[in-house]
Amino acid sequence: NAGVTQTPKFRVLKTGQSMTLLCAQDMNHEYMYWYRQDPGMGLRLIHYSVGEGTTAKGEVPDGYNVSRLKKQNFLLGLESAAPSQTSVYFCASSFGARVNTGELFFGEGSRLTVL
Amino acid sequence: AQKITQTQPGMFVQEKEAVTLDCTYDTSDPSYGLFWYKQPSSGEMIFLIYQGSYDQQNATEGRYSLNFQKARKSANLVISASQLGDSAMYFCAMRDDLSGGYQKVTFGIGTKLQVIP
Repeated sequence: NAGVTQTPKFRVLKTGQSMTLLCAQDMNHEYMYWYRQDPGMGLRLIHYSVGEGTTAKGEVPDGYNVSRLKKQNFLLGLESAAPSQTSVYFCASSFGARVNTGELFFGEGSRLTVL
Repeated sequence: AQKITQTQPGMFVQEKEAVTLDCTYDTSDPSYGLFWYKQPSSGEMIFLIYQGSYDQQNATEGRYSLNFQKARKSANLVISASQLGDSAMYFCAMRDDLSGGYQKVTFGIGTKLQVIP
């Protein structure tokens, strides 16, 4: 039972490089979310998706792009990485409140370091 | 804009004692949900308890209860009979049910709880 899987788990980038984080869920969830976690700042919402092909901005969207071409996958892209994007990134998914409580199921996190 | 406030950066509690972790929220939407998550030092996010805005009774899950005071916009987590394994970061979160089927979930900055033997 995979649940929510994030790849890669760790990555080191140089400033200006690009990369994509992949989130895959096998629970047929409609909603998917990308958060970043930084010390003393909790989890901050970057972007989220309410279904295949639909995305929306969260609290801290600048410098990131997302795509949801398939229901089970939610991609987070960094076009030109900056040291300020060094963080732990969490993906989460849920059915949403129309089905149940809307509880989020989280991936294990991806630690990104930008030098 | 919605907002979650956790004002206790760190808390200590004696083993077997009860502890309350504070959370206040701000939203103008009538429909919303409140969650508490635990993050141990290993890093995973563990769901603890949920309260819906229309729920009349406070939620309980084992040793966890949520003290929901809607008029005050507070959703405090109460952990009874603390155990050493309760030492972790605790996050309060709110699901906002927006128009068009959009549902956004935002988190507070967390409270670090340490249980003392």
